[in-house]
Amino acid sequence: NAGVTQTPKFRILKIGQSMTLQCTQDMNHNYMYWYRQDPGMGLKLIYYSVGAGITDKGEVPNGYNVSRSTTEDFPLRLELAAPSQTSVYFCASSPPGAYQETQYFGPGTRLLVL
Amino acid sequence: QKEVEQNSGPLSVPEGAIASLNCTYSDRGSQSFFWYRQYSGKSPELIMFIYSNGDKEDGRFTAQLNKASQYVSLLIRDSQPSDSATYLCAARGGGTSYGKLTFGQGTILTVHP
Repeated sequence: NAGVTQTPKFRILKIGQSMTLQCTQDMNHNYMYWYRQDPGMGLKLIYYSVGAGITDKGEVPNGYNVSRSTTEDFPLRLELAAPSQTSVYFCASSPPGAYQETQYFGPGTRLLVL
Repeated sequence: QKEVEQNSGPLSVPEGAIASLNCTYSDRGSQSFFWYRQYSGKSPELIMFIYSNGDKEDGRFTAQLNKASQYVSLLIRDSQPSDSATYLCAARGGGTSYGKLTFGQGTILTVHP
């Protein structure tokens, strides 16, 4: 049981490039989330999903897109990368029902946009 | 704008002391509250959550919630150097919020031997 996995661990992008951050969970969790964490700050919710085919915006969705075609995968797409997107990105998942609030985090992807 | 504010750090305590971490929230509809610990370069891990007014204890950790004052705290007794980390407070709003959390900016705790 690997939990929540994220790839890549680290990436450098040039301004204007695009990339997809991958997130996979093997716990059969319905809910999945993408956060970004800037240095010295808390986490900001980018997008979330309550199940396959259902996604919605969080606090800071501009410049990002998501899809959820399966329960396991929740990729985050960056289009036209900007220096303001330099951050650490965390994917998280939580189970349905009474324990939905317990979020399990992946190890993070560190992104640098130059 | 729903906000969660944490006491500014960094906080430094000697080994064996009690560390007190505080958090206030602006959304009166918030129903549940969470404390996460984050070691440098690592992902957050859940320490405790609390729903009801009062205290909730788990080992050396005690979470306190006062909904009237919109205040949450975390006490760490017998602090150890391994407790040195950033502590994140988070709140979940009421209704069907699908587990969406609003995080504070974090408080850095250092426990020195």
